[in-house]
Amino acid sequence: GDSVTQMEGPVTLSEEAFLTINCTYTATGYPSLFWYVQYPGEGLQLLLKATKADDKGSNKGFEATYRKETTSFHLEKGSVQVSDSAVYFCALSATGRRALTFGSGTRLQVQP
Amino acid sequence: DAGVIQSPRHEVTEMGQEVTLRCKPISGHDYLFWYRQTMMRGLELLIYFNNNVPIDDSGMPEDRFSAKMPNASFSTLKIQPSEPRDSAVYFCASSFYRAKYEQYFGPGTRLTVT
Repeated sequence: GDSVTQMEGPVTLSEEAFLTINCTYTATGYPSLFWYVQYPGEGLQLLLKATKADDKGSNKGFEATYRKETTSFHLEKGSVQVSDSAVYFCALSATGRRALTFGSGTRLQVQP
Repeated sequence: DAGVIQSPRHEVTEMGQEVTLRCKPISGHDYLFWYRQTMMRGLELLIYFNNNVPIDDSGMPEDRFSAKMPNASFSTLKIQPSEPRDSAVYFCASSFYRAKYEQYFGPGTRLTVT
């Protein structure tokens, strides 16, 4: 079945550091890929998406590129802020399917 | 728009009791999803509806769980009888078919079964 694997957290960084959170997936066909973010006490929010190979999703300084050859969708940000502290979820939507399959989530802690 | 509304935000109940979680999707959205989040299993899809009709309930753990969507603006997830292993955060999400990639999540209901 479909699955998403994320790097274990927590990831602890200093403000202005470079962020990478790794995500790889297993799915048949051509899934759509997403990053969702969950701030404390809140529901998940869509951060960015990519719907086909080589697409780059971007939002709020975060970027991720859909790499079909490596089945990856790594999240990056050049300079993190304390306000980026949250849990980040990689997810996929399989071809023809509405529901999302989520990774386990990676907690990011940014220290001032 | 008020976003997806869930109630209650917190629920503490004793084993064996019936629990009902409620969700109001965003007006105009025609897909509704129920997810469960636990430390051990992460975020799992339980069931989803399209135009009030259940489409995929393969994630519903067992017969103790049931979900209904009597109209476009309301859904319930019921657990009867509840067990300690049902303790989790339950999220409701909705989406619009034309924006098929984005799901809008509610704040969740934290359920504790003692």
